Amino acid sequence: DTAVSQTPKYLVTQMGNDKSIKCEQNLGHDTMYWYKQDSKKFLKIMFSYNNKELIINETVPNRFSPKSPDKAHLNLHINSLELGDSAVYFCASSEGYGTYSYEQYFGPGTRLTVT
Amino acid sequence: GDSVTQMEGPVTLSEEAFLTINCTYTATGYPSLFWYVQYPGEGLQLLLKATKADDKGSNKGFEATYRKETTSFHLEKGSVQVSDSAVYFCALISFNKFYFGSGTKLNVKP
Repeated sequence: DTAVSQTPKYLVTQMGNDKSIKCEQNLGHDTMYWYKQDSKKFLKIMFSYNNKELIINETVPNRFSPKSPDKAHLNLHINSLELGDSAVYFCASSEGYGTYSYEQYFGPGTRLTVT
Repeated sequence: GDSVTQMEGPVTLSEEAFLTINCTYTATGYPSLFWYVQYPGEGLQLLLKATKADDKGSNKGFEATYRKETTSFHLEKGSVQVSDSAVYFCALISFNKFYFGSGTKLNVKP
């Protein structure tokens, strides 16, 4: 009965490869997010989708492509992986978005290591 | 632009000590403020929140008061436990975007 789940938990791959991370939420939320956390624990938003529509797209290389097949899923595909992509990627969801204090629920994270 | 600044860690305390983690923010408009906690190997969990000036958020013995005049949202706990060891993130939401501070690692020794 996990609220926000991500797969895989660990991902080790070589430079130049293409990989995907999957995220699913069973909370019935409308909005989902991808965050990147670097080695210093700094957390930065990458993308946000509301009802399958992209609403936030931060300055992220176009090698990163999110896809939301339905409200409950937001996947992240990364092409031509680089060493600097090594980080922990967190998926999150919230009931809605806006200036209201919508709590975000985070997944357990996917630790990506590019060698 | 909007941002959150937290005190750098790590913060190391003995059990039952008083905890303060400073957080200040810069925002246009009227943001809501949050503290999230990240235990080792886990995702972030909401600890407490405040939605307007002078609101006090509290949970599990932690408290923070939304101070508009000083643009601060400092986290406090009167008596920390070893189980409080984690990374704490201050955050705000403004115009649909969440902004997180850099995180403060807390180590509590028995």
